Amino acid sequence: GAVVSQHPSWVICKSGTSVKIECRSLDFQATTMFWYRQFPKQSLMLMATSNEGSKATYEQGVEKDKFLINHASLTLSTLTVTSAHPEDSSFYICSASFYGSSYNEQFFGPGTRLTVL
Amino acid sequence: AQKITQTQPGMFVQEKEAVTLDCTYDTSDQSYGLFWYKQPSSGEMIFLIYQGSYDEQNATEGRYSLNFQKARKSANLVISASQLGDSAMYFCAMRDFNNDMRFGAGTRLTVKP
Repeated sequence: GAVVSQHPSWVICKSGTSVKIECRSLDFQATTMFWYRQFPKQSLMLMATSNEGSKATYEQGVEKDKFLINHASLTLSTLTVTSAHPEDSSFYICSASFYGSSYNEQFFGPGTRLTVL
Repeated sequence: AQKITQTQPGMFVQEKEAVTLDCTYDTSDQSYGLFWYKQPSSGEMIFLIYQGSYDEQNATEGRYSLNFQKARKSANLVISASQLGDSAMYFCAMRDFNNDMRFGAGTRLTVKP
């Protein structure tokens, strides 16, 4: 149980285009979803936290107008990278948690590798 | 602000031997959780083990154990009987009172045959 999927698993796009990444909790309703970014050989950095039906809370230094997060339902959150540039190339990982899970843990998706040309 | 420190960028261990990956943390919260994740080259984050701040016993999960020293704010991961498949990045993480998760820089473990 507690499976999280991400789509697409990888994407290549041209500079200036927008890219949408979906994060779904497959077998549970996620009260909170998280978005992380991981540059090569670096750690995961929290970008934002979102609760269903409310606006996402962004970490300091993350541009909310560039990284649009929509948490439309208890099983789906989307991250849209608007006007992507090569410096946005990274590994984006989402996670989801639900109230009452064993360790209040986050269940991670498999990640999406974004390459901006 | 919470901070997680992993001081070992890379570690080598001989197959079948034990290895300890270090993790220290800094928090003023009384309630927090400590996690270890394994990240193979595929990128997925694999949950290994959890230790709650109020747990008095060290957590164990199969070949993984967590050496929790609360006063020293350390939560080292011990992997016993290393296997070639254990070669990966390992991240220590802390969940704070607000349920935000912060990760350390990671340790790349290489198991040698």
